Amino acid sequence: DAGVTQSPTHLIKTRGQQVTLRCSPKSGHDTVSWYQQALGQGPQFIFQYYEEEERQRGNFPDRFSGHQFPNYSSELNVNALLLGDSALYLCASSLEGSGSVNEQYFGPGTRLTVT
Amino acid sequence: QKEVEQNSGPLSVPEGAIASLNCTYSDRGSQSFFWYRQYSGKSPELIMFIYSNGDKEDGRFTAQLNKASQYVSLLIRDSQPSDSATYLCVVIPYGGSQGNLIFGKGTKLSVKP
Repeated sequence: DAGVTQSPTHLIKTRGQQVTLRCSPKSGHDTVSWYQQALGQGPQFIFQYYEEEERQRGNFPDRFSGHQFPNYSSELNVNALLLGDSALYLCASSLEGSGSVNEQYFGPGTRLTVT
Repeated sequence: QKEVEQNSGPLSVPEGAIASLNCTYSDRGSQSFFWYRQYSGKSPELIMFIYSNGDKEDGRFTAQLNKASQYVSLLIRDSQPSDSATYLCVVIPYGGSQGNLIFGKGTKLSVKP
């Protein structure tokens, strides 16, 4: 049973470019959340996708957008990259309405470096 | 702005000692509280959750919650070098949901052999 997977593992981009990060949730999960973790900080919630729609959004600009596909996988897109976007991007999946405690599984992350 | 505050450490304890990690949160309506462990370069993993005031024990770990004081703590008994990691205090604020987690900056724990 595969856990949460993310690709790519590492990425280097230049200021002003656009980037797409990908996430496949744990088998059986239908909800995907994205977090940004800057060095030395805790993860910050970007947004959450459920039923192919953005359900909640954190305090991030519109340059950050996403998508969820019918197979529950998700993409995070960042436009007009800034140096400050350099961070570890974490994807987490869970099962909506599972009735259990928050069993949110994190993927290994994508390390984005903007130069 | 809903916040979760933790001492960044590092907290250094000898092997076999009790490590005490503390956290305060600003949203008085918060109902769900979690501790995640994050090894360097790895993703966070859930180790404890607590919803009610009081203590909750799971093996060597005890989570403590005091909603009146807006305070959460994690005790690690018989600390091992493998417990060396950053511990993240996490809260679901009032009106939030699974997935919309508010993380503290984390406390780095170092257990010395």
